[in-house]
Amino acid sequence: GQQVMQIPQYQHVQEGEDFTTYCNSSTTLSNIQWYKQRPGGHPVFLIQLVKSGEVKKQKRLTFQFGEAKKNSSLHITATQTTDVGTYFCAPRGATNKLIFGTGTLLAVQP
Amino acid sequence: KAGVTQTPRYLIKTRGQQVTLSCSPISGHRSVSWYQQTPGQGLQFLFEYFSETQRNKGNFPGRFSGRQFSNSRSEMNVSTLELGDSALYLCASSLEGVYYEQYFGPGTRLTVT
Repeated sequence: GQQVMQIPQYQHVQEGEDFTTYCNSSTTLSNIQWYKQRPGGHPVFLIQLVKSGEVKKQKRLTFQFGEAKKNSSLHITATQTTDVGTYFCAPRGATNKLIFGTGTLLAVQP
Repeated sequence: KAGVTQTPRYLIKTRGQQVTLSCSPISGHRSVSWYQQTPGQGLQFLFEYFSETQRNKGNFPGRFSGRQFSNSRSEMNVSTLELGDSALYLCASSLEGVYYEQYFGPGTRLTVT
């Protein structure tokens, strides 16, 4: 069945450093969503990627969908303390079941 | 627009009991999905309801069930509670379904003792 690996599980950075989390699937994806969950909060939708090789930017966040549509990444430039939280990918695969990645917990030290 | 609301926010139950959680989606959203979140298993999909019909189901035992009413409000029921059911239960609403932008509620924190 479809397996989704998200790496790293945890990342601690100094404020101002960059951060990247990767989402890798064993199967080809139809699309992929990204969510952010602040500590004690609920997931908040960030973006959806659909096309092979697609790159979308939201201010300091850059989202990329792999050419083979099996992986995706989220890159944050110059992290801020407001970026703290867990970032989840949610890919849609052939099984049509929505699976969330294990998440990457980002800690930002001021 | 009001966001997704869930009631109750916190719940403590005893093993063997049953529980019903409620979710009111954003006005106009016909899709409601439920998720279980635990530190060990992460975010796991329970099921999705769309226009009162279960459209998608995750890999959970039959003790977990749900329904959706004509006003799109949804309830989730867990019977014969087990300690392992302790979790944050999140519901999310969407215009078209889980493969589109989902709006999550604050969740219900269930503790089973």
